[in-house]
Amino acid sequence: DQQVKQNSPSLSVQEGRISILNCDYTNSMFDYFLWYKKYPAEGPTFLISISSIKDKNEDGRFTVFLNKSAKHLSLHIVPSQPGDSAVYFCAASAPNAGGTSYGKLTFGQGTILTVHP
Amino acid sequence: NAGVTQTPKFRILKIGQSMTLQCTQDMNHNYMYWYRQDPGMGLKLIYYSVGAGITDKGEVPNGYNVSRSTTEDFPLRLELAAPSQTSVYFCASRSNYGYTFGSGTRLTVV
Repeated sequence: DQQVKQNSPSLSVQEGRISILNCDYTNSMFDYFLWYKKYPAEGPTFLISISSIKDKNEDGRFTVFLNKSAKHLSLHIVPSQPGDSAVYFCAASAPNAGGTSYGKLTFGQGTILTVHP
Repeated sequence: NAGVTQTPKFRILKIGQSMTLQCTQDMNHNYMYWYRQDPGMGLKLIYYSVGAGITDKGEVPNGYNVSRSTTEDFPLRLELAAPSQTSVYFCASRSNYGYTFGSGTRLTVV
């Protein structure tokens, strides 16, 4: 039961163009979403996040959009740079029954982004 | 500024052997987590801890044990290694400002 899905295993983009990475989720209890970037032989590093009370969050070249009705979020990278080439993971967390969140993350499978010079 | 440190970085185990994956953080974070990542898959939560002395199971806890005697350390124990435990293991800690992951331990069970 894959609660967070990234249906595109890979994406290839030209330098300077926009990269759009997509993520779908099924658990309506998710209230916080994150994107991580991962280079080979390293741990994931945090990129950007969004709370379910928002539909957009922007940080420099990175923007995350959340469509709650469609249970879909996307990460836009503009302009894309060769150094952005990495695996990108979408992740989500939900509060426990008591309303607290222990920060347990559910990850998608990842999308390999390649930005060509 | 070490962050989250995992040791070892690589290990090959024979079926039935045991080992402990070490994880230490120097940020005084209460929340710590162990994830595993299989090829082509996302990270899956094995165990987590909300503070010293408190641990709980995640999504895939079978075959693993953890302890949290101090805030800094969160070791993951494999008692009887199986080929299905071949994976890359990531430890993470969390503050109100976000998560910090270690660089991972690549474990192969043969």
